[in-house]
Amino acid sequence: DAMVIQNPRYQVTQFGKPVTLSCSQTLNHNVMYWYQQKSSQAPKLLFHYYDKDFNNEADTPDNFQSRRPNTSFCFLDIRSPGLGDAAMYLCATSTDPGTGGYTFGSGTRLTVV
Amino acid sequence: KQEVTQIPAALSVPEGENLVLNCSFTDSAIYNLQWFRQDPGKGLTSLLLIQSSQREQTSGRLNASLDKSSGRSTLYIAASQPGDSATYLCAVSTHTGANSKLTFGKGITLSVRP
Repeated sequence: DAMVIQNPRYQVTQFGKPVTLSCSQTLNHNVMYWYQQKSSQAPKLLFHYYDKDFNNEADTPDNFQSRRPNTSFCFLDIRSPGLGDAAMYLCATSTDPGTGGYTFGSGTRLTVV
Repeated sequence: KQEVTQIPAALSVPEGENLVLNCSFTDSAIYNLQWFRQDPGKGLTSLLLIQSSQREQTSGRLNASLDKSSGRSTLYIAASQPGDSATYLCAVSTHTGANSKLTFGKGITLSVRP
């Protein structure tokens, strides 16, 4: 089945140690999103790629970066994770932004120790 | 700025009850509204997508309605089951193209008691 796959499901990293989260999709959707969701809160958009164009939310910390080497893959890099970055990170795709639906992956739960 | 509100934050009902989950949004200029289910520690599963031109969508025991002018949507769950226990989030899509984004509510955590 076509889907959005996030790896790993659980990630433990040390305070200040760079970490990369991965997202891949077999849907051939042109838009990919990264959301951060903390406990009991709404998912918060960090940034998204519309094809190769990167769109950063104004309040996304500089500590968060993203790469999209091709249509299928998108990475979230956290350069120096702090305790406050512990959260669920959700990747989503869409083929027709604004009119189509969004498909989410299973998420990566990040723990910072 | 679009804001999405879901009240109450939590709901507990006995098995078999029909229930309605509410969602409201401040800016009626949306393109669509999507209801998601989230199990503990998991990602989001899409339940229903309603385009701005539509009034409702149905899937099995689920029915979602949209009243764009009043900024409201409801998710109706018929004959609730313990397996329906999860958090239900609604999200609205604003803008199109490169500026498109989903704005979420915080969700309603539903517990269906056997």
